[in-house]
Amino acid sequence: QSALTQPASVSGSPGQSITISCTGTSSDIGSSSYIFWYQQHPDKAPRLIIYDVSDRPSGVSSRFSGSKSGNTASLTISALQAEDEADYYCSSYRNINTVVFGGGTKLTVL
Amino acid sequence: QVQLQEWGAGLLKPSETLSLTCVVYGGSFSGYYWSWIRQPPGKGLEWIGEIHQSGSTNYNPSLKSRVTISVDTSKNQFSLKLNSVTAADTALYYCARVPPYWYFDLWGRGSLVTVSS
Repeated sequence: QSALTQPASVSGSPGQSITISCTGTSSDIGSSSYIFWYQQHPDKAPRLIIYDVSDRPSGVSSRFSGSKSGNTASLTISALQAEDEADYYCSSYRNINTVVFGGGTKLTVL
Repeated sequence: QVQLQEWGAGLLKPSETLSLTCVVYGGSFSGYYWSWIRQPPGKGLEWIGEIHQSGSTNYNPSLKSRVTISVDTSKNQFSLKLNSVTAADTALYYCARVPPYWYFDLWGRGSLVTVSS
């Protein structure tokens, strides 16, 4: 099954804000409130940072926020810090009873 | 604290069957789905499938013909079998917990499987 579409890379300076987009279809992002974001540092397992479009698990910084418009979901990281440098993956429920990931976005903190 | 640990053969030849098991330590097995996700070296994540304690499964349509996920609730573990492997199946295979609904809140450390002749 085809993946959700993310930019391959984004960058920003410390203190700035960045947004990562995730584009799907009416079969996944467009019709779902089950949209998630994961952060993965090198040689580590992914870590959930956003669930159900815009909710944050306990312990995740409020600098991370999620949103959705139509077939596109977005992750915004405000007040960038060096520790935010990582790969970010979006994920969505897709009809029927499957999950699809985005291709991943590498965030570089300049 | 709940922890997940994958184990299984790390090196396979083409056409063999990949077999991995994930053991869930320190917490309840019930009330969740349990999933397998893989990541080829340097590439992105791919959902393989999931299983509920009841045995109900869901699979990635692109892998469904080759995948079987099973569960053994008495041992708090679930397993993945992927048959007829090729080099394209070389990846780090993660197991993960799936709360309602459809996201992965706990991950194992991953088990590297390499397919090479």
